[in-house]
Amino acid sequence: EAQVTQNPRYLITVTGKKLTVTCSQNMNHEYMSWYRQDPGLGLRQIYYSMNVEVTDKGDVPEGYKVSRKEKRNFPLILESPSPNQTSLYFCASKGASSGNTIYFGEGSWLTVV
Amino acid sequence: AQSVSQHNHHVILSEAASLELGCNYSYGGTVNLFWYVQYPGQHLQLLLKYFSGDPLVKGIKGFEAEFIKSKFSFNLRKPSVQWSDTAEYFCAVNGSGGYNKLIFGAGTRLAVHP
Repeated sequence: EAQVTQNPRYLITVTGKKLTVTCSQNMNHEYMSWYRQDPGLGLRQIYYSMNVEVTDKGDVPEGYKVSRKEKRNFPLILESPSPNQTSLYFCASKGASSGNTIYFGEGSWLTVV
Repeated sequence: AQSVSQHNHHVILSEAASLELGCNYSYGGTVNLFWYVQYPGQHLQLLLKYFSGDPLVKGIKGFEAEFIKSKFSFNLRKPSVQWSDTAEYFCAVNGSGGYNKLIFGAGTRLAVHP
């Protein structure tokens, strides 16, 4: 089954404690992306990756890092989380096998206190 | 700048009422258009998409959308809503070809009362 899998799904953490949200897809997609969803703002892109070792900033990259060492994985790293990063995060992927349709993970609820 | 505008942030309907959610976009080129739905506590699911061809697109669960190029619009419709349609709906657009960014509207929360 085609899947984008994120972990953890729910996390409460404290300001300044580094955390990583993992994302993995099993569709051999070239393109992967991270979004955050906030009330009234829709989904905003944080970072995206066109392929292995190719990453670029989206609209709201401040406070985040990513890496793409393998095609299937695209972790989102918060080096020093702050309360304004409390949000719902979605990983997404697309590739030749899915046309131009983006598949989303189930979301990760992150609360920074 | 590329943008997507959804006219209604909150919509409340009774069951069996008709639904139309507005979506307008600003993009200087050929576009692909999408509607996603997010049920409470769940991830985004694709309702329907338009790439080319017939501008009236039918999706899952009885939803349809019409692409009107001259109006830069892609409104979502359903003739008769059900309580189970209560969700948040997002319109999205990206440029055709390659891996252009998918830009989302702010979303419309739909509440359907029995």
